[in-house]
Amino acid sequence: GQQVMQIPQYQHVQEGEDFTTYCNSSTTLSNIQWYKQRPGGHPVFLIQLVKSGEVKKQKRLTFQFGEAKKNSSLHITATQTTDVGTYFCALRGAGNKLTFGGGTRVLVKP
Amino acid sequence: DVKVTQSSRYLVKRTGEKVFLECVQDMDHENMFWYRQDPGLGLRLIYFSYDVKMKEKGDIPEGYSVSREKKERFSLILESASTNQTSMYLCASSLPWPRNTEAFFGQGTRLTVV
Repeated sequence: GQQVMQIPQYQHVQEGEDFTTYCNSSTTLSNIQWYKQRPGGHPVFLIQLVKSGEVKKQKRLTFQFGEAKKNSSLHITATQTTDVGTYFCALRGAGNKLTFGGGTRVLVKP
Repeated sequence: DVKVTQSSRYLVKRTGEKVFLECVQDMDHENMFWYRQDPGLGLRLIYFSYDVKMKEKGDIPEGYSVSREKKERFSLILESASTNQTSMYLCASSLPWPRNTEAFFGQGTRLTVV
């Protein structure tokens, strides 16, 4: 079945700096979702992208879907300690199957 | 407030026991999912269900089964628990594609098999 690979697995960021995490697939994706899981918590939905080249923003978070719909990125500007957690991309496959990537664990250095 | 509730936050079971993990959602969602989460491996799909009595294998179904007798309840069964099934188990629910597809998660059950 379809799979998504996330890079990097870990991201250490200085507070105030920007970073980007990527989600890649070898096949064309119909959609991509992003979730955030705080330490000790459960994943919480952030956004869904469905159109080629789509860009959506949520405050300091910018989500992008690639033109070929084979990759997606999450860019965070001016990282804050509240951004700590694991960010997952996920895709809806055939028959409503929801598959997650391995996640990027973000640690913020004050 | 939407809610997905898992029956236990922590569970300790012995090897060979039959284990039931229960999940209930109050949003009238058709889809329900069971994942296990292990460090460095992300969320891996065990089973999912798109309707009452309907189930589909996920990516790692071996050693597990599921039951969905009512729309709001989705149970994960470990037929004979083994130590390699020690993990965090997460239940989720959602509406079916292409309607609003946001998945809502329960708080998780940390299962330890000794």
